[in-house]
Amino acid sequence: EPEVTQTPSHQVTQMGQEVILRCVPISNHLYFYWYRQILGQKVEFLVSFYNNEISEKSEIFDDQFSVERPDGSNFTLKIRSTKLEDSAMYFCASVSLPGGNYGYTFGSGTRLTVV
Amino acid sequence: GENVEQHPSTLSVQEGDSAVIKCTYSDSASNYFPWYKQELGKGPQLIIDIRSNVGEKKDQRIAVTLNKTAKHFSLHITETQPEDSAVYFCAASYTGGFKTIFGAGTRLFVKA
Repeated sequence: EPEVTQTPSHQVTQMGQEVILRCVPISNHLYFYWYRQILGQKVEFLVSFYNNEISEKSEIFDDQFSVERPDGSNFTLKIRSTKLEDSAMYFCASVSLPGGNYGYTFGSGTRLTVV
Repeated sequence: GENVEQHPSTLSVQEGDSAVIKCTYSDSASNYFPWYKQELGKGPQLIIDIRSNVGEKKDQRIAVTLNKTAKHFSLHITETQPEDSAVYFCAASYTGGFKTIFGAGTRLFVKA
């Protein structure tokens, strides 16, 4: 069964450092997402991406965040200057048609720890 | 803004019993309601979904119901097994929308 692959599985970084989280969505999917889950809390929407541009973003997704699809397969989330409160699980997801039609396929997540 | 409320936050049942998780949504434009199961250390996995043109859907031991008027939807798991133990999330979105809003999750424990 096709999978969404995320790397690394765990990232520890110092406050103020930049991090890049990587995702390889399912190959024939067109819509890509990043979600965040602070330990024990709900899964929160960050950003959606389609046709090489952001479709929608949440209030959490401020100027410190950016997304990119640098080639035909990878989808990245960059946090420019990490804060302690950025510590969370970050999930990438993809879908062939936009939300409202089909459920997402999620990756296993990257646990980001900011110290 | 859009919101999805989910109850209970924790649910403990005996193996073989039924489990029911309930959600309400605020955005009347929502017309697609997926349910996800998250096991420890993994991402959420879609287990069942329902669209607003039906009131109930069943897949083996799991079923979902939807009351559009009341903006309620529920997940029912019958004959629970220990491997059903996980966190379950309800969610809501709408056709053409670019995001899905999740509930806070229900941690289900099935005791053998």
